[in-house]
Amino acid sequence: SQQGEEDPQALSIQEGENATMNCSYKTSINNLQWYRQNSGRGLVHLILIRSNEREKHSGRLRVTLDTSKKSSSLLITASRAADTASYFCATDATGTASKLTFGTGTRLQVTL
Amino acid sequence: GAGVSQTPSNKVTEKGKYVELRCDPISGHTALYWYRQSLGQGPEFLIYFQGTGAADDSGLPNDRFFAVRPEGSVSTLKIQRTERGDSAVYLCASSQWSSGRDTQYFGPGTRLTVL
Repeated sequence: SQQGEEDPQALSIQEGENATMNCSYKTSINNLQWYRQNSGRGLVHLILIRSNEREKHSGRLRVTLDTSKKSSSLLITASRAADTASYFCATDATGTASKLTFGTGTRLQVTL
Repeated sequence: GAGVSQTPSNKVTEKGKYVELRCDPISGHTALYWYRQSLGQGPEFLIYFQGTGAADDSGLPNDRFFAVRPEGSVSTLKIQRTERGDSAVYLCASSQWSSGRDTQYFGPGTRLTVL
């Protein structure tokens, strides 16, 4: 079953613009991870944020976490055509054996 | 190795056949996970190994699915009497077990098609 939901399901922007994707989840978590997937194959890990953290940065990526609202956001600044992919959030829920529960993903299209 | 590897990359089989999918985790990673991803969906958890033992197999859909990791490294996911509904991309991931809650690194997946 999918715990989380990403919003929007699809996003189309022009190169240079910022892209923001949101993720909502249902249970208490140890951490939340964001992944990128190209062409329906391997997932590339982008960033992990722990439940006691509120914000993390990595290059052009900024992730926020609000555990009171059970939500997270991923911001990609100055997007590039190469950022075109599907983006998934995944939660590591408390009380589980470290398995990840994924959302349904946001399909990002960056056009020139 | 440099990353998680999976073989084969594609597997086409007929309904009712038996298949094995292989995963080579990152060297030194003690935790190994199998997920299944259907078209248009996020990956769904199948099973998790810590060392040689299956710590959580709650995601296996039925008893046709079985996975092993006999030496605590390579893992094989086995599917008996395949059905068309088993068609999906099967993803393997591994992680270190320092804090117990570490980044999972994924392989490229095996695309299974059951005709």
